[in-house]
Amino acid sequence: DAGVTQSPTHLIKTRGQQVTLRCSPKSGHDTVSWYQQALGQGPQFIFQYYEEEERQRGNFPDRFSGHQFPNYSSELNVNALLLGDSALYLCASSPGPRGSGNTIYFGEGSWLTVV
Amino acid sequence: GNSVTQMEGPVTLSEEAFLTINCTYTATGYPSLFWYVQYPGEGLQLLLKATKADDKGSNKGFEATYRKETTSFHLEKGSVQVSDSAVYFCALSDGVTGGGNKLTFGTGTQLKVEL
Repeated sequence: DAGVTQSPTHLIKTRGQQVTLRCSPKSGHDTVSWYQQALGQGPQFIFQYYEEEERQRGNFPDRFSGHQFPNYSSELNVNALLLGDSALYLCASSPGPRGSGNTIYFGEGSWLTVV
Repeated sequence: GNSVTQMEGPVTLSEEAFLTINCTYTATGYPSLFWYVQYPGEGLQLLLKATKADDKGSNKGFEATYRKETTSFHLEKGSVQVSDSAVYFCALSDGVTGGGNKLTFGTGTQLKVEL
C-alpha cells in the first residue's frame, strides 16, 4: 500500500519563475492538503482539496494555487516565485475533509529553493 | 484562532534519560491532538494522537495525555534512545465549522540524544 507520494523531491528555481509540485494521496484517501514548512519552523497550512474543489485556505497569497484531479491526485502551483518561497512543501492526505480525529498522512515533501 | 505552543529546543539528553516536551494549545470546540516526528531530511510521521479529553495516545514508548483543563498535551518517554533524535511537532485539528483535517502545528522541538 503506497503512502503519500510527492514529486519532484528537490528543485531549484529562479525568482519570478513558476513551479508545479505534484502529489498522489494514500490509497483510499480523497482529500489532499498542502503545507509549507520553512527551515526551522512548523508546517503552515496552504489549502485543502476535496471533490476537485478548494475547500479551505490558509493565509497564503493568490500566487499559490492548486488543482485536484478525478483520481484524487493534486498539484500545487506557485507563480512569480520569491526568495521567501524557499521551503519544504508537504502534501498530506486523509479519508474525507471532516472529522478532526482522522489520521493525516504526509509525504516526504518537495524541497524548493528559489535563487 | 487556533494555536499551539511548544517548549523551545534544542533538548539534549543522555541515552536512557526521561523525556518531556511540553505542548499547550488554544482552540475553538473540541480539537483532536497529535504528535508528529520528523527525522532529518524526511517528511512528517504520526507518532500518536488523542481525540477527546483524558485520552492517552501512545506509540513506541512515547505517551501523551489530552488534558482539557490545562489545555495541554505533553509528550513523555521514560527512556530515550539515540534513534529518537528528531524534531517533534505538536499539532491540533479542529473539527468545528468543517475545519477538520486542517492541522495547526507548533514550531517544533529538536531532540538530540547522546550516548
